[in-house]
Amino acid sequence: NAGVTQTPKFQVLKTGQSMTLQCAQDMNHEYMSWYRQDPGMGLRLIHYSVGAGITDQGEVPNGYNVSRSTTEDFPLRLLSAAPSQTSVYFCASSYGGHTQYFGPGTRLTVL
Amino acid sequence: AQTVTQSQPEMSVQEAETVTLSCTYDTSESDYYLFWYKQPPSRQMILVIRQEAYKQQNATENRFSVNFQKAAKSFSLKISDSQLGDAAMYFCAFCTGANSKLTFGKGITLSVRP
Repeated sequence: NAGVTQTPKFQVLKTGQSMTLQCAQDMNHEYMSWYRQDPGMGLRLIHYSVGAGITDQGEVPNGYNVSRSTTEDFPLRLLSAAPSQTSVYFCASSYGGHTQYFGPGTRLTVL
Repeated sequence: AQTVTQSQPEMSVQEAETVTLSCTYDTSESDYYLFWYKQPPSRQMILVIRQEAYKQQNATENRFSVNFQKAAKSFSLKISDSQLGDAAMYFCAFCTGANSKLTFGKGITLSVRP
């Protein structure tokens, strides 16, 4: 049981490049979400999903896309990276009860 | 909108002593959940403790306990017998009963002096 996994752990992009951050969970959790962590800001919700085929926006969705084709996977896409998207990104999942389990995070730098 | 406030950016405690981390929140909901997460230098977010708003009894997990004051909308974390491994950033977080969307405070950095 690997829990929540994220790849890659580190990534450097140039402005305008696109990429996908991968997130997978093997706990059959219905709820998955993406957060970004910036210094002095805590974690802020980007997008979330309550089940396969259902996604919705969080607090800071601009510049990011998500899809949820399976229960296990919830990728986060940056269509055209900007320096303001330099951050640490966390994926999390939960099964009712509201307790969320986090992946190890991805540190993204956009030059 | 819900808000979570951690007013102290940093705290320090002597090893083996007790420390309390403060958190206040604001919501009009009656059904909600409160959490404390620990983030050590490894960056991993680790659940420390969870409190359901409908429960009057304060949650306890080994050396960690909370003081939940619902009327005052206060949710502080007490760490007893502090250990060097407790040094980390601690986040207070909140979600309502209707969904699992977490709202986080800005965090507090706890250092432990040997």
